[in-house]
Amino acid sequence: DSGVTQTPKHLITATGQRVTLRCSPRSGDLSVYWYQQSLDQGLQFLIQYYNGEERAKGNILERFSAQQFPDLHSELNLSSLELGDSALYFCASSVWDGKETQYFGPGTRLLVL
Amino acid sequence: QQQVKQSPQSLIVQKGGISIINCAYENTAFDYFPWYQQFPGKGPALLIAIRPDVSEKKEGRFTISFNKSAKQFSLHIMDSQPGDSATYFCAASPQGGSARQLTFGSGTQLTVLP
Repeated sequence: DSGVTQTPKHLITATGQRVTLRCSPRSGDLSVYWYQQSLDQGLQFLIQYYNGEERAKGNILERFSAQQFPDLHSELNLSSLELGDSALYFCASSVWDGKETQYFGPGTRLLVL
Repeated sequence: QQQVKQSPQSLIVQKGGISIINCAYENTAFDYFPWYQQFPGKGPALLIAIRPDVSEKKEGRFTISFNKSAKQFSLHIMDSQPGDSATYFCAASPQGGSARQLTFGSGTQLTVLP
């Protein structure tokens, strides 16, 4: 158990809908990262927050957004969902004090029908 | 320049054998190279990591070899066990500040036969 929690574990929704994925980092970790894992694209970095502020952006679609709250949990919002958004979404966290180790949560499996 | 290329895509090894997975990168700004292990239905878990100031790092049966001039690094699993059967990802992270997103290789599915 990495100490990173993600909810829900599974999510089934329809095209055009909007969903919110939630992540609680390990206690004391200030950075939260979101990754998407799909069969054709592999594991891809989406976005990073550090202590509430956006720090880095990867291949994140404009339909997707995220935020990190004062208690350091993070939410990834996916809107106008398309079939191709079906994937595993992982959250990872790290302590930024020069230690780069990222601890991954168990993921949320999203299925868009 | 952000890519990390990983090979082979799949690997079958007999129990007790050596598993070798290779990765190559282009971006010279990368300065941290972890390997992650992922079992089905689970998130990736850090296995071992190396920084480019050393050429080799060993932890138990797992060794990373790093060739900075060739921009290549590899994972060696000695005495491979059936419990090592999983997908392995190499990754790289850039220098600088607190932006430490990982760029992953495409993964290697390792099967260790009993």
